[in-house]
Amino acid sequence: DIVMTQSPSSLAVSAGETVTINCKSSQSLLYSGNQKNYLAWYQQKPGQSPKLLIYWASTRQSGVPDRFIGSGSGTDFTLTISSVQAEDLAIYYCQQYYDTDTFGAGTKLELK
Amino acid sequence: EVQLVESGGGLVQPGRSLKLSCAASGFTFSDYYMAWVRQAPTKGLEWVASISYDGGSTYYRDSVKGRFTISRDNAKSSLYLQMDSLRSEDTATYYCTTATFYFDYWGQGVMVTVSS
Repeated sequence: DIVMTQSPSSLAVSAGETVTINCKSSQSLLYSGNQKNYLAWYQQKPGQSPKLLIYWASTRQSGVPDRFIGSGSGTDFTLTISSVQAEDLAIYYCQQYYDTDTFGAGTKLELK
Repeated sequence: EVQLVESGGGLVQPGRSLKLSCAASGFTFSDYYMAWVRQAPTKGLEWVASISYDGGSTYYRDSVKGRFTISRDNAKSSLYLQMDSLRSEDTATYYCTTATFYFDYWGQGVMVTVSS
């Protein structure tokens, strides 16, 4: 199975700051046939089910604010949240769907 | 509006069976692969099983192969997960999801506790 490694495991930020969450895969998620990276990002708020934020590494799901930005290719990916708001308090997971689906361990975003 | 509503969870003894159901609405059910994803208490997400549009193809994680069966009824817009020979490590919240490639939409989840 492809192993997904997220960092950091948690971080505390102040409202208005920009945060970066990293996700590294044990093998490339870039499929040469279509030049797409098979990576998604999810947000799970306390007591809620996960919500899809980003797919194909950088495409925002409908309705997701444009302060959420996905980037990266191959084995290294980043979720950037600009101007963090209190409502962004959540755990963020990356997931690869290149092979048998696997998730990262999650990054907990807390507000200072 | 897409809605996925799971049911059928509960407390069950090790070795026993349980069947989860997921009622879908707000989209054309037969147009989507579907999946079950679980989350053990205070842990991360783990894909369990997926099923193709017509149910002709099914996929399972190794730890549940031979014990769990995913199925669907497109006429009823429903997804199922038959769980046999349950183990303590199957204790988790089980989510029903649409599965384009990624998991687009999620239900609210149903808790399964395997304990004597």
